Amino acid sequence: AQSVTQPDIHITVSEGASLELRCNYSYGATPYLFWYVQSPGQGLQLLLKYFSGDTLVQGIKGFEAEFKRSQSSFNLRKPSVHWSDAAEYFCAVVAPGGYQKVTFGTGTKLQVIP
Amino acid sequence: KAGVTQTPRYLIKTRGQQVTLSCSPISGHRSVSWYQQTPGQGLQFLFEYFSETQRNKGNFPGRFSGRQFSNSRSEMNVSTLELGDSALYLCASSSGQAEEKLFFGSGTQLSVL
Repeated sequence: AQSVTQPDIHITVSEGASLELRCNYSYGATPYLFWYVQSPGQGLQLLLKYFSGDTLVQGIKGFEAEFKRSQSSFNLRKPSVHWSDAAEYFCAVVAPGGYQKVTFGTGTKLQVIP
Repeated sequence: KAGVTQTPRYLIKTRGQQVTLSCSPISGHRSVSWYQQTPGQGLQFLFEYFSETQRNKGNFPGRFSGRQFSNSRSEMNVSTLELGDSALYLCASSSGQAEEKLFFGSGTQLSVL
């Protein structure tokens, strides 16, 4: 069975600073990989996804993520954080052919300070 | 295009009661998934329906059940509520392919007293 680890529960960054959120997965092959964001009291919104091809993927709101097969990682990055980026971020995996059974990480809560 | 609609937004129940939550997917989407979100356990997959058939099921007791109607709307039922069932229940819809993204509703916040 696949699993996802997000080692950082909380991260605090200053507005304008760069951001990297870590995600490691466990699966026999390369799964489909996703990053979602959840604002307080809301559902989740997709930031970006990877399932093949270029290992650096661009998403919405200026986010990008890099897939590294050797490290089983899919870290999310943003060069300059805005106050509106404060939210909870979830890494997720789906087994190819696994329909829509999505396994989520435990999430990283991002706080942005002025 | 209207988004995923979940009703009700908030529910308060007592132990032993049962509850039914509703989810209307985005028009044209045939897959509906349900997730339970709690501070301690995070997002846990409950089940997924596609064209009225349950395709996937998570590790929840049989008190948790669901169904999907011919118009793709879905309901989730929890019987004999326990305090630990207090959670945000999220519904998501998609085309049903594994590589496709999920569109989430805002959830139903269930409190069991």
